[in-house]
Amino acid sequence: GAGVSQSPSNKVTEKGKDVELRCDPISGHTALYWYRQSLGQGLEFLIYFQGNSAPDKSGLPSDRFSAERTGGSVSTLTIQRTQQEDSAVYLCASSSGTSGIILAQYFGPGTRLTVL
Amino acid sequence: AQSVTQLGSHVSVSEGALVLLRCNYSSSVPPYLFWYVQYPNQGLQLLLKYTTGATLVKGINGFEAEFKKSETSFHLTKPSAHMSDAAEYFCAVSYSSASKIIFGSGTRLSIRP
Repeated sequence: GAGVSQSPSNKVTEKGKDVELRCDPISGHTALYWYRQSLGQGLEFLIYFQGNSAPDKSGLPSDRFSAERTGGSVSTLTIQRTQQEDSAVYLCASSSGTSGIILAQYFGPGTRLTVL
Repeated sequence: AQSVTQLGSHVSVSEGALVLLRCNYSSSVPPYLFWYVQYPNQGLQLLLKYTTGATLVKGINGFEAEFKKSETSFHLTKPSAHMSDAAEYFCAVSYSSASKIIFGSGTRLSIRP
């Protein structure tokens, strides 16, 4: 499809387990973003990629969270030793990120993570 | 700190009535401004955006917003509400190209028959 896709759509895991969330951005989009949407916290920025590098990781809540992007395309967000407070919808977005022009970020449907 | 404030976590209007969702930002530099909509059980969808130029921006589904620098506001309006407009609306701001977006806390819009 033409949009941002994320997998899995739902993930239920046990506290202490590691999880990987995947994002496929829109083809040709160089910028990729991860956000988290949870009750009481709203929409929080996690990390931003330009190509394969991450110039802004300021939103990652702890060192249990990491993300990588390969080939300037697919990105994986990894959460190690999950905690119940990690339960949220994790959203991925992409944009063409042309310098000097702000182009809107297009969001995927999200991955709903539930930590039991 | 740069932030976005949406006044009213829940707004309810009658079908056919004016919709007004308020958004103010705090910034010392000109921002890029967005409104996103999230329908129940769906992802975020861009409604409209302001980057440069005309301060009155028209978006999808009959919505529009006006950037008022003097008031640091970017309120969203629609002249006549439809039942299908019921959703959560997020105001957002960014301060450079390809930068992260800072979201407001959202306003849930309900439409009364």
